[in-house]
Amino acid sequence: KQEVTQIPAALSVPEGENLVLNCSFTDSAIYNLQWFRQDPGKGLTSLLLIQSSQREQTSGRLNASLDKSSGRSTLYIAASQPGDSATYLCAGIKAAGNKLTFGGGTRVLVKP
Amino acid sequence: GAGVSQSPSNKVTEKGKDVELRCDPISGHTALYWYRQSLGQGLEFLIYFQGNSAPDKSGLPSDRFSAERTGGSVSTLTIQRTQQEDSAVYLCASSLRASGALTDTQYFGPGTRLTVL
Repeated sequence: KQEVTQIPAALSVPEGENLVLNCSFTDSAIYNLQWFRQDPGKGLTSLLLIQSSQREQTSGRLNASLDKSSGRSTLYIAASQPGDSATYLCAGIKAAGNKLTFGGGTRVLVKP
Repeated sequence: GAGVSQSPSNKVTEKGKDVELRCDPISGHTALYWYRQSLGQGLEFLIYFQGNSAPDKSGLPSDRFSAERTGGSVSTLTIQRTQQEDSAVYLCASSLRASGALTDTQYFGPGTRLTVL
């Protein structure tokens, strides 16, 4: 059973368009959510962490929201740039242990 | 400061051999995690350490996998009698803590790519 799901698996947009990446989770025990970026052959870079007491987090062109009642998180990237091309992963964090449960990722290509 | 480091970056081994993968967490981080990223399974949790508490080994796929953390810092993931399905990228992460109401950001190392022939 896939606890954390990301749809679509891949996304291609022209430069300048806003990106909307979706993450949904079925386990009600997930109460915090972290978004990561992964470049090919590289490790994960943390983008935003949303605590259970928060509904959204913002960093520069990035904004992430969390709605635990519907089991959804959305990552918005404004005015996309070719350098935003990467795989974006969301990960849910349960109350116990803070280990991450990852979605399958969305591979993003921003075309110049 | 320095981030999480892992060694080796690449490891090629023959089926049946044992391998050791090393992780150096960020200084001062009490929590350390191991994850595995493979084509078929995506990113999955293996084990985590928090201070002096007993590690959570719930993600280890078999008893061929073990890990230790010496002195609350460096960790070693050991895979005995490697199999081809063990081929994956093994990622280590650390965070300030792993308990309490607030979650701390996990910072990942670059990973070790393991290939079992």
